[in-house]
Amino acid sequence: GAVVSQHPSRVICKSGTSVKIECRSLDFQATTMFWYRQFPKQSLMLMATSNEGSKATYEQGVEKDKFLINHASLTLSTLTVTSAHPEDSSFYICSARTPEAFFGQGTRLTVV
Amino acid sequence: AQSVAQPEDQVNVAEGNPLTVKCTYSVSGNPYLFWYVQYPNRGLQFLLKYITGDNLVKGSYGFEAEFNKSQTSFHLKKPSALVSDSALYFCAVRAQAGTALIFGKGTTLSVSS
Repeated sequence: GAVVSQHPSRVICKSGTSVKIECRSLDFQATTMFWYRQFPKQSLMLMATSNEGSKATYEQGVEKDKFLINHASLTLSTLTVTSAHPEDSSFYICSARTPEAFFGQGTRLTVV
Repeated sequence: AQSVAQPEDQVNVAEGNPLTVKCTYSVSGNPYLFWYVQYPNRGLQFLLKYITGDNLVKGSYGFEAEFNKSQTSFHLKKPSALVSDSALYFCAVRAQAGTALIFGKGTTLSVSS
């Protein structure tokens, strides 16, 4: 199947700093990528839809100024968590491709 | 609005026994239905999908699922469970091509030896 690579897999940062997470489609081009957030023992919640060459579409309740999404090329989308706080600690996962989505490995973000 | 329900938080089965993980959905129009498996601190692995065609769909690792339109269900099944099948399973739906998946809350499958 298609390969989606996400980096880093784990990051610890200090409160107030920013963290960038990369999502790459390795063997296909992705005009659309999706970013999800997963809390412990809970389901994946869609945060935003990343569109190559245009602005991301954010789900209701997701702060677009805190979670900056850039999709500058057909193989790369980035999620930047700005001014991170402990409540932003979570597991972030990206996906691409339809009909079945292929997922990155996920990024465990811990804000201390 | 589209939604997915997984009524069981946990399913426990003995190795070698058949397993079923339940999923019901709500979507306008014809659904795209999926099952994924997640191991701890990992991304999701695709198991199988239903788009159209035969109601019984076969997927990876011996899993299969049956689409039942009248009951709006898409239960995941396997004839003989393995201990290595123990993981978190997600059912998901997509209302139309190109849109994001909407996930159920997940069901933890525990297979005992």
